[in-house]
Formats: sequence, C-alpha cells, structure tokens
Amino acid sequence: AQSVTQLDSQVPVFEEAPVELRCNYSSSVSVYLFWYVQYPNQGLQLLLKYLSGSTLVKGINGFEAEFNKSQTSFHLRKPSVHISDTAEYFCAVINTGGFKTIFGAGTRLFVKA
Amino acid sequence: SQTIHQWPATLVQPVGSPLSLECTVEGTSNPNLYWYRQAAGRGLQLLFYSVGIGQISSEVPQNLSASRPQDRQFILSSKKLLLSDSGFYLCAWSVGGTGRYEQYFGPGTRLTVT
Repeated sequence: AQSVTQLDSQVPVFEEAPVELRCNYSSSVSVYLFWYVQYPNQGLQLLLKYLSGSTLVKGINGFEAEFNKSQTSFHLRKPSVHISDTAEYFCAVINTGGFKTIFGAGTRLFVKA
Repeated sequence: SQTIHQWPATLVQPVGSPLSLECTVEGTSNPNLYWYRQAAGRGLQLLFYSVGIGQISSEVPQNLSASRPQDRQFILSSKKLLLSDSGFYLCAWSVGGTGRYEQYFGPGTRLTVT
C-alpha cells in the first residue's frame, strides 16, 4: 500500500520569496507522482506530474518539483511566489497500473504582502 | 475539450433525509470516475471509483452508495444522511486504460447536514 506525507500543514511566506512544500511517499511498487492545487471552494487542478524521465519536472504557474527516488520525496518549489499562489497544495501518488490515487493531507500556502 | 459538471453547488439537508449528487463528464469516453469527500481542513478521502458502467468499487463502508447508470454519469446517494456526512464532495475523472493517471476534478458540492 502507498502513503503520502506532507510534512508541513501550513507554510506562510512573503510575496516574492522562494518556497518549498515537502512531500514524502511510501510504496513497495513503482509509482507516479503529482502535485495538485486547490483554491478556496473549488476543485483540484493538476500542477505537475512525474511519470518517468527527467527527475525535475516543471508545471504551471512557475512551479517545479524534483523526484528523488532514494529519499522517496517529491518536493514542490517556486523561486518567487505571488499573492495569487495562496491556496492548498496536495501531493499525490498512484502505483503504475493502478486506479486509486492516494493524496496527502495538504499544505496550506499563505503568501503575505 | 473535456468538461466535468457537478450539481448542486451547495446543499443543506436535515439529518435522516436522502441525498443525490450528480456528476457528468463531457468530451471523453469510458473514463474512470471517482467520488471524494473533503472534510474541513483535511485531505481527500476516496469514497467510490468506477472503471465502467455498473462497476463500482467502494472504499469506505458507510451509509453512502454510488451508481454509474451511463458511461459519463456518476451519482452519489444516501438513504439517510448523518451529521458526519457534511463536507465538500468532489467528483473526478481520469482517462481510462491509457496509462495517463492524472485526475480532473469538478467544482465540488458543499453539503451541510443539520
């Protein structure tokens, strides 16, 4: 069985500062990894995904994430955040060939002016 | 392009009343369909998923049920709501059978059971 741990429940940061949202996963089989963003009272949107290939993946809105197999991590980063990045971010994993995505508990990013 | 619809957007229901939430997907065929519940300040709990018409897998034994009467329609139901059923319900779809695993979410239904 897979599990996902998002190490920070809330991350406050000032506008234009860099941010890293941490995610660790556990699985006994190969997995695919995702980051989703949820704005208040909306559904989730895909930010980026890692399926294979380069371990550094780029997504929408200037976000990127790095897959580290040895550390079983998939941390999300942005070099300079905007007020509009304030949202909840979910790390997720699915085993290859599976149907069920396992989501982390979420990290609430709060960008301050 | 594909779109996913959910309704109603908000719902206030008394304890013991029935529930029916509907989700439809347009612009794709034979999608995998999912119902999630998100309690306040918490992550997503997978309730049901379906890989085809009439095929429903339940993840959480409770007073909720799901049905898929048509290829792109997914319904979440309850005969008698409990206070603990309050939450934000999200429907999602993914492309079936092609190895593309990302999910696409609907706008959600906020259910308050009083």
